[in-house]
Order: sequence, then C-alpha cells, then structure tokens
Amino acid sequence: AQSVTQLGSHVSVSEGALVLLRCNYSSSVPPYLFWYVQYPNQGLQLLLKYTSAATLVKGINGFEAEFKKSETSFHLTKPSAHMSDAAEYFCAVSEGQGGKLIFGQGTELSVKP
Amino acid sequence: GAGVSQSPSNKVTEKGKDVELRCDPISGHTALYWYRQSLGQGLEFLIYFQGNSAPDKSGLPSDRFSAERTGGSVSTLTIQRTQQEDSAVYLCASSFAFTEAFFGQGTRLTVV
Repeated sequence: AQSVTQLGSHVSVSEGALVLLRCNYSSSVPPYLFWYVQYPNQGLQLLLKYTSAATLVKGINGFEAEFKKSETSFHLTKPSAHMSDAAEYFCAVSEGQGGKLIFGQGTELSVKP
Repeated sequence: GAGVSQSPSNKVTEKGKDVELRCDPISGHTALYWYRQSLGQGLEFLIYFQGNSAPDKSGLPSDRFSAERTGGSVSTLTIQRTQQEDSAVYLCASSFAFTEAFFGQGTRLTVV
C-alpha cells in the first residue's frame, strides 16, 4: 500500500527565507509524486510532479522538489519565501499519473513579514 | 467550462437527510475523482471513475455513500441518512487519460 508522511503540520518562515517542506513516501512500485497547494477556501492547485524523468523537478511560483529514492523523500523547497506563499501544501503519491492520489496530512506554511 | 465545477458550494442539511453533490469535470477529461477533506482526517480518497471501466470504490467509508457518473461526464455523490461526522469539504477532480488531476473548489457540507 502507498502512503505519504509530511513532517510538520505547521511551518513558519520569514519573508525572504528558505522554504523547506518535508515529504516521505512509501510505495511498492515506482511512484508518481505530486505537490499541491491549497489557498483558503480554494481547491487544490498542482505545484509540480515527478514522473520518473529528472529527479529535480521545477514547478510554478519558484518551487522545486527533488526525488531521492534512497531516502524515499520528495521535499519541496523555495529559495526565498513570499507573503503570497502562505497556504497549505499537500504531498501526494499515486501508482500512475492518472491514478488515485494518496495525500499526506498537509503542512500549513506561514510567512512572517 | 474552463475548470472543474462543483455545486452547491455550501450545503447545510439536517442529520438523517440525504444529500446530492454535483461535479462537472473539465470537458474531455476521462477520469473523475471524489475526495473528502476534514480536519481530523486530511484528504481522503473516496471513489475514482476512469472511462468505461468499473469505478474504484475502495475509499467509500460506508454503504451510505454512493456515486455515479452519467454519460462519462457529470458525477453525483450521494450521501444517505447523513451523520454529523459526514461534515467535511467534498472535492472533485478530473484528468485526461493518465495526466495530472485538476480540482474543483469543493462543496462544504455541514450536517446539523
């Protein structure tokens, strides 16, 4: 069975600081991995995805994530946080690009001025 | 439409009543998913439709929950005899073949 663990339900950073949101996965088959962002009262928006091509994946809004098979991790980073990055972030795994997604519990990112 | 549309956006119902939640996927998308988002449980997979294949119902929490997809397009999630623990945001998503899923803004269900 597949699963996702996001370390830290809440992360707070200062504006301009590095953002690091952690995600570890468990999968019996090569995984497809995703990061989604959810702004208040909105649906989920895809930030980036890993589909077995390059291990460093670049997404929208300056975010990127690195797939590390040896660590079963897919951490999300952004070099410099912006106030508009404040939202909830979800890591997800699926057995295929179009298969059902198994989500982590989410990490709420706060950005302090 | 341009995106996944869900209706109603908010629904308040009395315990024991039945409710129907509607999802209009992006035109041409072959796959449709329902998820439930609640404070204690995070984002839970409910059901997945892919083309003409039998739906994956493995996430439905009880037999009070059912969903159908008519004509390969619009989907309705039905909850019978609602309970307070059914209160949550119900999210629908669609995708084309095996590409990434696009989500609607959800229906917030409150059972009183």
